[in-house]
Amino acid sequence: DARVTQTPRHKVTEMGQEVTMRCQPILGHNTVFWYRQTMMQGLELLAYFRNRAPLDDSGMPKDRFSAEMPDATLATLKIQPSEPRDSAVYFCASRAAAQETQYFGPGTRLLVL
Amino acid sequence: RKEVEQDPGPFNVPEGATVAFNCTYSNSASQSFFWYRQDCRKEPKLLMSVYSSGNEDGRFTAQLNRASQYISLLIRDSKLSDSATYLCAVRALSGYALNFGKGTSLLVTP
Repeated sequence: DARVTQTPRHKVTEMGQEVTMRCQPILGHNTVFWYRQTMMQGLELLAYFRNRAPLDDSGMPKDRFSAEMPDATLATLKIQPSEPRDSAVYFCASRAAAQETQYFGPGTRLLVL
Repeated sequence: RKEVEQDPGPFNVPEGATVAFNCTYSNSASQSFFWYRQDCRKEPKLLMSVYSSGNEDGRFTAQLNRASQYISLLIRDSKLSDSATYLCAVRALSGYALNFGKGTSLLVTP
């Protein structure tokens, strides 16, 4: 049963610290998305990659967030420095080239104190 | 104004009831439409895609109204296990990303 995996599942950190979240998409999926979910804003797209190339990062605060895909099996989302307003659940999702369905990982619950 | 809007609810319905949710979208160039289900503290999971002709999967029926720019989800014979948040999602003609509504909360009670 292929799944998207994310690490860590939970992260508590202090304001100003660097946070790195990792995602392993489903093998063979070529499009990877990063979403952030909060009660106030709901599920928002931060960035996504297709064939490892960044296609859209317009939803991401550029001054502190960065997303990369160093290889086809790993996507990373980094926040430096973190702020309390970054507290949210960060989801990674992937989809195959010829399919519409996005499969979500379990998320990383981030709390910035 | 968000591109995709939903009534947040909560919708509290008794078991066996029929319940319907609507979702409106603002981009007339939207190409693909979906309903996702999200259980508490879990990830969203695809419930069903929404086709122009409408589609049905067991107790669930989804419909698309392009003229009025909304999609709907009908759940018949509600079960306790249907309690969840239902997110609608829309993909524009260009790009691969989805715009999600904030979700509609459903609670089915005994």
